[in-house]
Amino acid sequence: AQSVTQLGSHVSVSEGALVLLRCNYSSSVPPYLFWYVQYPNQGLQLLLKYTSAATLVKGINGFEAEFKKSETSFHLTKPSAHMSDAAEYFCAVMPENNNDMRFGAGTRLTVKP
Amino acid sequence: KAGVTQTPRYLIKTRGQQVTLSCSPISGHRSVSWYQQTPGQGLQFLFEYFSETQRNKGNFPGRFSGRQFSNSRSEMNVSTLELGDSALYLCASSPRGGREGREQFFGPGTRLTVL
Repeated sequence: AQSVTQLGSHVSVSEGALVLLRCNYSSSVPPYLFWYVQYPNQGLQLLLKYTSAATLVKGINGFEAEFKKSETSFHLTKPSAHMSDAAEYFCAVMPENNNDMRFGAGTRLTVKP
Repeated sequence: KAGVTQTPRYLIKTRGQQVTLSCSPISGHRSVSWYQQTPGQGLQFLFEYFSETQRNKGNFPGRFSGRQFSNSRSEMNVSTLELGDSALYLCASSPRGGREGREQFFGPGTRLTVL
């Protein structure tokens, strides 16, 4: 079964610093990949998605992710962290033929002033 | 368009009881999926409904069930509640059409506490 692994359950950055959240997927076929963000006591909000149209995907709030097949990675980045980016981030994979979305364990991002 | 709505937002039950959670998808979306989120197990897929039919099912016991109505609204039911069923239950809807219709839009969740 397809799965994703998020490296680092907690990441802390200073405001204005680069944000890098890591995600690796296990799949023999390039799947659908997603990044979601969850703020406390809320549902998940889609940041961006990869559907094989382009390897560099731009999302909302200044986030982007690059699909690297050779590394089976889909890391999320943002050039300059903002205090409002503090949240939990989930990488997810979905197979070609159904909607069984598999999530990583999540990475909690803390932004220090 | 209105987003995915879930009712109730918070629920407290006791062991052995049963509970029904409701989800209204985004207008026009025909697929509804349910997820359980807990601190220990993270986000786990429960099941997906499309056009009133269960299409996929995760690895949960038969106490967890669901259904979808002709207007795409969905309910999930948990019978004989256990303490471990305490979780945030998230519903997500998707148009489920083509490569561009695969992302899921999540509701705010129902926080279930089992005492």
